[in-house]
Amino acid sequence: LAKTTQPISMDSYEGQEVNITCSHNNIATNDYITWYQQFPSQGPRFIIQGYKTKVTNEVASLFIPADRKSSTLSLPRVSLSDTAVYYCLVTLMNTGFQKLVFGTGTRLLVSP
Amino acid sequence: SAVISQKPSRDICQRGTSLTIQCQVDSQVTMMFWYRQQPGQSLTLIATANQGSEATYESGFVIDKFPISRPNLTFSTLTVSNMSPEDSSIYLCSVGLGGTDTQYFGPGTRLTVL
Repeated sequence: LAKTTQPISMDSYEGQEVNITCSHNNIATNDYITWYQQFPSQGPRFIIQGYKTKVTNEVASLFIPADRKSSTLSLPRVSLSDTAVYYCLVTLMNTGFQKLVFGTGTRLLVSP
Repeated sequence: SAVISQKPSRDICQRGTSLTIQCQVDSQVTMMFWYRQQPGQSLTLIATANQGSEATYESGFVIDKFPISRPNLTFSTLTVSNMSPEDSSIYLCSVGLGGTDTQYFGPGTRLTVL
């Protein structure tokens, strides 16, 4: 069964850079990799999206190796408000069928 | 982006009953999705509800249990039928604006079944 896995949790301090990796071995060829942020009692919020190499926006960077079997979300200089759960979203190939799958989620705790 | 609202925001229901969750979008969208998120877990796609066609259900979800309506481009409903405590979860709708992987989510409906 195709899976999308992430570290369960990460701890950091304000001002540090945080890198969260998602593994997706069976990623579909033509689809994007997307990352979301979720706060308690809210729906996930779009952060960044990419297909390959590196993408940067005003809040994060996304690094994707050539084989696209993983991706790394990079949050520069995190603050307390970045404490949340982070999910990757990819389309996986599974026995000939494509399936949209959220990662297992990484709970980031940022401390003072 | 899109502004998405859901009703109700939360509900407590008795087993054996059904609950219909509404999802309203502030703009016309073709692709809408319904997800379930159990406590402390990731999101699992229930079905894709594109306007003008029957909903497409993921493995493990069936229309009899989770009937979906999509009467127009700004609205959808998900019904959780014949509920049991195992259906206690957060149900979220989302819309796809840039494709299936660029989704914008509603705030969710927290359902508790006693």
